[in-house]
Amino acid sequence: QKEVEQDPGPLSVPEGAIVSLNCTYSNSAFQYFMWYRQYSRKGPELLMYTYSSGNKEDGRFTAQVDKSSKYISLFIRDSQPSDSATYLCAMSGKTGNQFYFGTGTSLTVIP
Amino acid sequence: NAGVTQTPKFQVLKTGQSMTLQCAQDMNHNSMYWYRQDPGMGLRLIYYSASEGTTDKGEVPNGYNVSRLNKREFSLRLESAAPSQTSVYFCATIYRVSAGELFFGEGSRLTVL
Repeated sequence: QKEVEQDPGPLSVPEGAIVSLNCTYSNSAFQYFMWYRQYSRKGPELLMYTYSSGNKEDGRFTAQVDKSSKYISLFIRDSQPSDSATYLCAMSGKTGNQFYFGTGTSLTVIP
Repeated sequence: NAGVTQTPKFQVLKTGQSMTLQCAQDMNHNSMYWYRQDPGMGLRLIYYSASEGTTDKGEVPNGYNVSRLNKREFSLRLESAAPSQTSVYFCATIYRVSAGELFFGEGSRLTVL
C-alpha cells in the first residue's frame, strides 16, 4: 500500500464550479500537510500548508485535514481557467526529512 | 534571486552514457532533494541530503549517485543511463522539514534512447 493515495483524475469542470480534490494516507505520524500546484512543464509550487487537523482558507482555496480519518481535501471555489493544472498533495512527519507525495490530480477548468 | 536552478533543462543520452544533473540554490537552505516524475507515478524521491556532508537514499536510488558539494549545490549522476531513466528530474530544497515549503526547480527533461 502506498503511503499516500490520490485520485489521478482527470477532472474537467466548467468555470465557476466548486472543485474538491482529495488524498488519503496510511501513516498516522504525518503532521504537515501540503498542496502543490504544477502547471504544465513547470516545477510544483506550494499552494496551501497546514499543520495537524483543521481547516485553512486562503482566498478561493480551502484545505481541510481530518487526521482521525487520515483524509485531506482541497476545495477551490469559483474555479477559473487559470486553475487548470495538476494538484499534488504532500505530507511529512514531525521527525525525519522526507516528504510523501500523491500521484497528482489533473484539473481542467473549461471557460 | 534565482531560487533553485537546475542544469541542463533538456538532455538526450544513448544507453550506457553517463551524465550529471546539477542543482544550485541561493536560499541558504539546509536540505536538498532529487525527485523523478513519471506519468501516473507522481514524484518519487531518488536521494536527499538533510544537511551539508550527508546524503541518504530515497525510494528509487538504483542507478543514481549524488554529491552534496557544499551547502548550495547537490548533483545527481547517472553512471550508465538506461531507457528506464527517461523522466523529468526535479531538485527541491527546504530550510527544514517543519518549515513547510519545499521549493522546486524548473525540472530537467532526460531522454535515454
